[in-house]
Amino acid sequence: AQSVSQHNHHVILSEAASLELGCNYSYGGTVNLFWYVQYPGQHLQLLLKYFSGDPLVKGIKGFEAEFIKSKFSFNLRKPSVQWSDTAEYFCAVNNQGGKLIFGQGTELSVKP
Amino acid sequence: ETGVTQTPRHLVMGMTNKKSLKCEQHLGHNAMYWYKQSAKKPLELMFVYNFKEQTENNSVPSRFSPECPNSSHLFLHLHTLQPEDSALYLCASSQVGLAGTSPYEQYFGPGTRLTVT
Repeated sequence: AQSVSQHNHHVILSEAASLELGCNYSYGGTVNLFWYVQYPGQHLQLLLKYFSGDPLVKGIKGFEAEFIKSKFSFNLRKPSVQWSDTAEYFCAVNNQGGKLIFGQGTELSVKP
Repeated sequence: ETGVTQTPRHLVMGMTNKKSLKCEQHLGHNAMYWYKQSAKKPLELMFVYNFKEQTENNSVPSRFSPECPNSSHLFLHLHTLQPEDSALYLCASSQVGLAGTSPYEQYFGPGTRLTVT
């Protein structure tokens, strides 16, 4: 069965530190990849997405992610985090069949 | 209002009650979804409706009953729930192709926080 794995459950960083959140998926065919963010008390919002083309995609708020097909990975990065990035981050994969499979989420806490 | 709205935002119900959750999307999408979000677990897809037809029931107990009267509205009828059903219930919508395939992103509502006592 298709699955998505996020390696870190809780990450704690200081402001200005660099961020990398891991995401691996298990599906051998063509996939669409997403990172969603859920700020405290708010709904899930799309951060960025990969459908095709350049494997390095840029999203909102300075986030980017790199699709590495050979590693089945889609890691999220940000060079310098801010306190306002405190949130839960979800990786998701769609095999174009209309079903979005989510990872278990990574909680990011940024200390001011 | 824009995006995906859900009502109520919070609901407390006893195990013998019957209640309904409502979702409305203002994005012109043709597919809608119900998810369950429990602490420390991945989002669980419950139901999928494409073009108002249910295309996925992810082994959800019959005490959860979805209804999609049109492409903009989705309901989740609840009856005789259990305490372990307490969770955040999320509605989402997206655009899908004629075959129900969807490379497109889903847009989520704020959720209904359900507590079963």
